[in-house]
Formats: sequence, C-alpha cells, structure tokens
Amino acid sequence: DVKVTQSSRYLVKRTGEKVFLECVQDMDHENMFWYRQDPGLGLRLIYFSYDVKMKEKGDIPEGYSVSREKKERFSLILESASTNQTSMYLCASSLFGDLPNNEQFFGPGTRLTVL
Amino acid sequence: GDSVTQMEGPVTLSEEAFLTINCTYTATGYPSLFWYVQYPGEGLQLLLKATKADDKGSNKGFEATYRKETTSFHLEKGSVQVSDSAVYFCALSEGDNAGKSTFGDGTTLTVKP
Repeated sequence: DVKVTQSSRYLVKRTGEKVFLECVQDMDHENMFWYRQDPGLGLRLIYFSYDVKMKEKGDIPEGYSVSREKKERFSLILESASTNQTSMYLCASSLFGDLPNNEQFFGPGTRLTVL
Repeated sequence: GDSVTQMEGPVTLSEEAFLTINCTYTATGYPSLFWYVQYPGEGLQLLLKATKADDKGSNKGFEATYRKETTSFHLEKGSVQVSDSAVYFCALSEGDNAGKSTFGDGTTLTVKP
C-alpha cells in the first residue's frame, strides 16, 4: 500500500521556535508538496518540489522554507514560528509530468499549534 | 489561471438522501478532474477522477461526469450514509503544471441518521 507519512500528528510549539515538519513517501514520486489547511480557506500551497534539491514557491511561502535532500523526504521549516502559523499542514506527493492520471497522495496531516 | 469553484457548505442530509455537490472549473487547456475526500482527522484521499470530456468517474457509490461544455464536474450519490460525512474537494490538474493541482475550498457534508 502506497504511503505518505508525516513525522507528527500533533505539535505544540512556542512563538519564535524553529519548527521542522517532516514528510516521507515510499512511491518514488518526483513531486512533493506542502499545503496548509485552514477553515474557510481550503488548501493553500506553501512550497513544492519536483526533484531533489529543487523547490518552487507556492501561493503562501512567506515565513516558511523547505528542504529536499533525498527524493523520498520533504521537510517544511518554520524559521521563527508565529501564532498565525497555527494550522493543519498536509504533505502530498505525485508523479512528475504530463500524465492524465496524476493524482496526489496525501499524508495524514500535522496539526500545529503555536502558543 | 486555473480555478475551481465548489458549492458552498456545509451540507446536512438525512441518511439515504440524494447528494449533489456542484463543482465548476476554469482552465486554459484540457485538465484532468478529481474529487478528493477528507474524513475527520485524516488527510485527503482520492475518491474518483476523470481525464477527458464525457468520462464518468465512480467509486463507493459516488459518481461525477466530466462536462466540458459546462466546465463542470458535479459529485452525486444516490443514497448517502452516515459514514459519508466528510469534507469533499474538487480539483483539477493540467499537464503543463507538472503535477500541481488546483483545489476548490471544500464542502463539508454531514449525514444524520
């Protein structure tokens, strides 16, 4: 069974802390994505990566950075956490390219609370 | 750019009622269309998909038909169950976006016994 796993289901951090959210996929997918999900705002893309060491900004990259040192792992970094980054964070992966069935596979999410 | 507009929720139905969740899209090319479902406390999972005009995707009693002339992909189910309570997301993916998808805002469905 294909899987995307995220390092924590729930996380509580303090304002100003550096926060790492880890995501691992076992499907050999080229693409990986980080979204945040907030009530009434749907899914918003933070960053995505289409290859090792490659990254592109999504719609809301401010306050975040990412790292992709290995194909299966994509990390989201909050350099200095703030209360407005309290949210559900979802990682996803997909194949790269012009493919008609290019669905995304999602992890279970990390609910981050910044106090 | 691409966009997806979903029927606003929340939607509350009684068990065995008929469900329709509307979805329309704007795209520059010929996208693939998807419905994802998110059960409480979980990530999204693919419910069904369609890759070209007039294709019908179906799964678990849910259906949606890719209508190019009306740029729509409405989700339907003939008889909902309590276990269908979830958030439903319509999405599209275009080949030139290299695997990126555009998602609607989600529609929350609650089914009461």
